[in-house]
Amino acid sequence: DQQVKQNSPSLSVQEGRISILNCDYTNSMFDYFLWYKKYPAEGPTFLISISSIKDKNEDGRFTVFLNKSAKHLSLHIVPSQPGDSAVYFCAASARNQGGADGLTFGKGTHLIIQP
Amino acid sequence: EAQVTQNPRYLITVTGKKLTVTCSQNMNHEYMSWYRQDPGLGLRQIYYSMNVEVTDKGDVPEGYKVSRKEKRNFPLILESPSPNQTSLYFCASSPSGTGWETQYFGPGTRLLVL
Repeated sequence: DQQVKQNSPSLSVQEGRISILNCDYTNSMFDYFLWYKKYPAEGPTFLISISSIKDKNEDGRFTVFLNKSAKHLSLHIVPSQPGDSAVYFCAASARNQGGADGLTFGKGTHLIIQP
Repeated sequence: EAQVTQNPRYLITVTGKKLTVTCSQNMNHEYMSWYRQDPGLGLRQIYYSMNVEVTDKGDVPEGYKVSRKEKRNFPLILESPSPNQTSLYFCASSPSGTGWETQYFGPGTRLLVL
């Protein structure tokens, strides 16, 4: 049973436009969410995170939105740049609820920025 | 240079032959984790460790063992590897109290079990 779902395996966006990557979760114990970016032949790198006490967190071109009632979060990248082409993983943790302190990842979305 | 190192980077082995993938970090981090990445399944956590001598199972611990005798090292042990353990493995570490945001990943170990 997949607790963190990224239903779009790939997404193609034109350079300069907005990229929106979606993530859904089923475990109501999750209270902390992160996005990681991964280039081929490298390990993932942290991008941005959000706690369940917030509904938005912004860092430069990257904004994460959290809708707790819908158990949905999204990552917005604007404007999209060629260097943003990578696989993006959504991840969730139940660290503040006494649950397991591990991290659960989604399957990833391959973002392709077209010139 | 702050880094997480994994060895070997590539390994081909046969079913049943015990192997160990080493992971070492030079940042004095308390948290360390092992993940495997498979096509269509993303990253799945195998084991994690909150500190020395403290380890816990992740989502897919079957067939793996870990130990955390020293803060800097977190080896992944496959006692009797099987073909379904063919995968790309990542080790990661992060400091205590800062959460997963500062999790550093190693470069990965690609394992093929014949």
